[in-house]
Amino acid sequence: DQQVKQNSPSLSVQEGRISILNCDYTNSMFDYFLWYKKYPAEGPTFLISISSIKDKNEDGRFTVFLNKSAKHLSLHIVPSQPGDSAVYFCAAIDSNYQLIWGAGTKLIIKP
Amino acid sequence: KAGVTQTPRYLIKTRGQQVTLSCSPISGHRSVSWYQQTPGQGLQFLFEYFSETQRNKGNFPGRFSGRQFSNSRSEMNVSTLELGDSALYLCASSLNVPIGNTDTQYFGPGTRLTVL
Repeated sequence: DQQVKQNSPSLSVQEGRISILNCDYTNSMFDYFLWYKKYPAEGPTFLISISSIKDKNEDGRFTVFLNKSAKHLSLHIVPSQPGDSAVYFCAAIDSNYQLIWGAGTKLIIKP
Repeated sequence: KAGVTQTPRYLIKTRGQQVTLSCSPISGHRSVSWYQQTPGQGLQFLFEYFSETQRNKGNFPGRFSGRQFSNSRSEMNVSTLELGDSALYLCASSLNVPIGNTDTQYFGPGTRLTVL
């Protein structure tokens, strides 16, 4: 059973608009979450993270929101740019300090 | 500083064969993890090595094995290949373990394995 779920396999957004990528988790013991971005033929690269003691973390155009009661986090990209087109993975760190990954969401930014 | 390198980048094998993939971490990084990525499944954790010792292992059969050398380079081996082993195999390195709040993994480009 997947402990980290990204229910949207793909998302299409107009350039300049906001992209919102969602992630749900089942284990309430997870206390640290990360987002990675992956281009074709490259490995994932770290984007932004959030600790469970916060509900928001911002880095430039990227903001991650955490709702612990709903076991939900989201990544907002504002404004969306063509170079943001990639697969975005949500991941959580478990009690063994291992990354538990979601299946990924393919973001397509339309010109 | 050079990133994580993986060789080969692409590999085609037939069922029943065995394969060895190689990963060179970022200089100074002592932890290496291996992941399998298949479409729609995200990244599945295979194993993690630190200072030549396997620290953690994912839920994969014994056909999947690995090792780490004294220079932190790592290899993974898959024996008796099956069609379902076709995937992108990613290696990631980090400075230390465990992965803490300030430590992140840096990924290589992966090895695309196709089993025919």
